[in-house]
Amino acid sequence: NAGVTQTPKFRILKIGQSMTLQCTQDMNHNYMYWYRQDPGMGLKLIYYSVGAGITDKGEVPNGYNVSRSTTEDFPLRLELAAPSQTSVYFCASTTPGGYTFGSGTRLTVV
Amino acid sequence: KNEVEQSPQNLTAQEGEFITINCSYSVGISALHWLQQHPGGGIVSLFMLSSGKKKHGRLIATINIQEKHSSLHITASHPRDSAVYICAVRKLETGNQFYFGTGTSLTVIP
Repeated sequence: NAGVTQTPKFRILKIGQSMTLQCTQDMNHNYMYWYRQDPGMGLKLIYYSVGAGITDKGEVPNGYNVSRSTTEDFPLRLELAAPSQTSVYFCASTTPGGYTFGSGTRLTVV
Repeated sequence: KNEVEQSPQNLTAQEGEFITINCSYSVGISALHWLQQHPGGGIVSLFMLSSGKKKHGRLIATINIQEKHSSLHITASHPRDSAVYICAVRKLETGNQFYFGTGTSLTVIP
């Protein structure tokens, strides 16, 4: 099993550009999450999903959108990139036993 | 004030020392997770606790629900234990969302 796969690992965006961060899991987990991690701060929840077709906002959803058309995929969309979105992004899925995280995407907006 | 507080923020230990990292939280929870983030950025789930104590190899995690406190212990520490250790709680009233401490950065010196 690959677990949770995130792409890309690194990306530089110009202000105003758009991009999609991809997240795929092959464990048939219903619960999936997108977090951002800023230096010196705890992980902050952007969006989460409890199953295909169901998504909900977390603590810091502004500037982002998600979709969950299948159990496996949970992409995160940035429509108009801003410098405040420079961060490391993690996708994760959970079972009652614990978390599985993707390897992260380091995004810089210039 | 964060709902999840960890101490210490930074910790340096000699190889072989017994290490304790603390996590206090101020809300009702249904579960608490301990995560490990290595210098490369990857995050691994160590434990999920809702009561009592769990042990895995040299790692021990305990939780006291009444005192809203959890500890992560590392026995016979080793340089490969150097990482950031993160506490995360699932709040009772927001069952699908987790809230994270800012992490404890551990360095174990040979």
